[in-house]
This record gives sequence, structure tokens and C-alpha cells, in this order.
Amino acid sequence: GAGVSQSPSNKVTEKGKDVELRCDPISGHTALYWYRQSLGQGLEFLIYFQGNSAPDKSGLPSDRFSAERTGGSVSTLTIQRTQQEDSAVYLCASSPTGVNSPLHFGNGTRLTVT
Amino acid sequence: RKEVEQDPGPFNVPEGATVAFNCTYSNSASQSFFWYRQDCRKEPKLLMSVYSSGNEDGRFTAQLNRASQYISLLIRDSKLSDSATYLCVVNAPRGGFKTIFGAGTRLFVKA
Repeated sequence: GAGVSQSPSNKVTEKGKDVELRCDPISGHTALYWYRQSLGQGLEFLIYFQGNSAPDKSGLPSDRFSAERTGGSVSTLTIQRTQQEDSAVYLCASSPTGVNSPLHFGNGTRLTVT
Repeated sequence: RKEVEQDPGPFNVPEGATVAFNCTYSNSASQSFFWYRQDCRKEPKLLMSVYSSGNEDGRFTAQLNRASQYISLLIRDSKLSDSATYLCVVNAPRGGFKTIFGAGTRLFVKA
């Protein structure tokens, strides 16, 4: 079946521009996570959606970052006024309902801010 | 203290060696546990779940010690293709349950 889909796969943008990154989770998965990974570093948690509950935004690094999840499915991560330090791979993952469910990752969006 | 802690390595081992990775978690109410593998410039992929009784998948064995809040992964007969970063993952209670990743342990297997 279809896995987690992220688009675009690569994005190059100029400093100061806004970008939107999209994630299509696996159908029926209620949990959705966004992570960021800089080259050679570990996963940095950004935000977590679980069903209709209020999202856990505790990992968002600044108010330039925001995310939405519409209809419990597709999610968009928006970065406003991008900075060079925002350059990283942005990974989305989803999982079915249930505490014993592992995460399934998309291929990521590689963001480069010039 | 981090919620999930791993030895960052790197571990450099020859082909055929046995290597063990350790992981500790801070929340005793954590419910489920996993090992993921991440290759360079790729997304993490599930390697195996970790069950209370311990479990094995070919050359890989995972163990869980709830009393010590400790998880391990043993790789026997290492292959060059095992070179990757191994991530310890815990589902911990956090207003429901939330998936927490360790920083990962880097493994290099050399011929």
C-alpha cells in the first residue's frame, strides 16, 4: 500500500521567503509527527498531531514555524521568513491509533535556504 | 536528563563481529519500544519492535528490562550492510502516548 508521502522532495529558497512543506500520511493513521534533521545530527521533534486532540507544539523552534492538519489527514508545515539555519531535512511520520504502533516515515523534504 | 539515552558511538567493528547497543529511558510508564535503523541521508526505518520477553529476528536480538528501564540490541555476525545509525525509540505517556527517539548510535562495519 501507499506509504507516507512528502512534497516537495527538495526545496531551495532564498532567505526571508516563506515555504510550505506537505505530508500525506498513510490512510487511517491518526498520529502524525514532524521532525527536523540537520546533516549528521539526530532527529529534532517539531510537532505532533493525534486525532482531534490539540497538537503538541512543544518542539517548534520559533514562531516562524507553524503546522496544520486538515481533516485529520494531510499536514502542512509552514516556515515563514526562512533563515539559513532552517536548512535541514524535514521528516514526517504517521502511525495508527494505539500505543504499540511504530512510526512510518516519509522520504523527507530537503530544504536549503540560500 | 534526556528521556531516551543512547551511547552515540561510533562503534567500529570488523565483519563477523557481535555488537551490542544499549539504551535507557526515564519514564517508567513507557509502554512500547522499538529499534529503528537510519542509513546516511535516508529516513529512519523500523528494524524491530522490542517485547518484554525479548525477541529475535535473524541476526538481531532485542531485550527489554523494565525494572532497569533498559533496552538493548544485539547484532551477531555483522555485515558491511549493517553500517548505519541505530535509533532507540520509546512510546512514553505524554497526554496520551508520544514517540520519543534517542539520538542514535552510529555503527561502522569494516571488511
